[in-house]
Amino acid sequence: GQNIDQPTEMTATEGAIVQINCTYQTSGFNGLFWYQQHAGEAPTFLSYNVLDGLEEKGRFSSFLSRSKGYSYLLLKELQMKDSASYLCAVSDSNYQLIWGAGTKLIIKP
Amino acid sequence: IAGITQAPTSQILAAGRRMTLRCTQDMRHNAMYWYRQDLGLGLRLIHYSNTAGTTGKGEVPDGYSVSRANTDDFPLTLASAVPSQTSVYFCNRGQPQHFGDGTRLSIL
Repeated sequence: GQNIDQPTEMTATEGAIVQINCTYQTSGFNGLFWYQQHAGEAPTFLSYNVLDGLEEKGRFSSFLSRSKGYSYLLLKELQMKDSASYLCAVSDSNYQLIWGAGTKLIIKP
Repeated sequence: IAGITQAPTSQILAAGRRMTLRCTQDMRHNAMYWYRQDLGLGLRLIHYSNTAGTTGKGEVPDGYSVSRANTDDFPLTLASAVPSQTSVYFCNRGQPQHFGDGTRLSIL
């Protein structure tokens, strides 16, 4: 079967760095996506990785290792507004997205 | 979210009633999707459409139907609502997928 695993909840301190991991087992791979979802709102697109390595976009970076079926989202200089759920999704061989259940990130002052 | 509109925003519905959730885009993307999001289960694909005139079943299609008469509209219909269909429904378009604001549906 297809499976996406990510931690249910993480806590971090304002100004610090946090890494949210995602491991996947899918039938085929056509890229990995990260989305941010604030409570009561729709998810918004953060990043896309299809090749191995690190993609940096401001305070957010996303890493992919296809051989390990592993990705992480790195958030630097955490701000209170970063409190949200972070969703990992993989595009399978049919270009359908398989979604993780999301990681709820709690930022403390 | 600019480019994709869902209606209604929220709805309380009696079990057994028929309900259509509307979704309209103005970006003319070929691909559109309907998901439901339930606590602890993440997003699950109900139906999708790769282009106007075609639709496909996702992970949880039972109890739902869709149509894609044109590029812009992708309505989702619950023929006879049941309480287990209480959820938040998102309509998406394009790649990467961009979400509508969602419809919060409660079936009593």
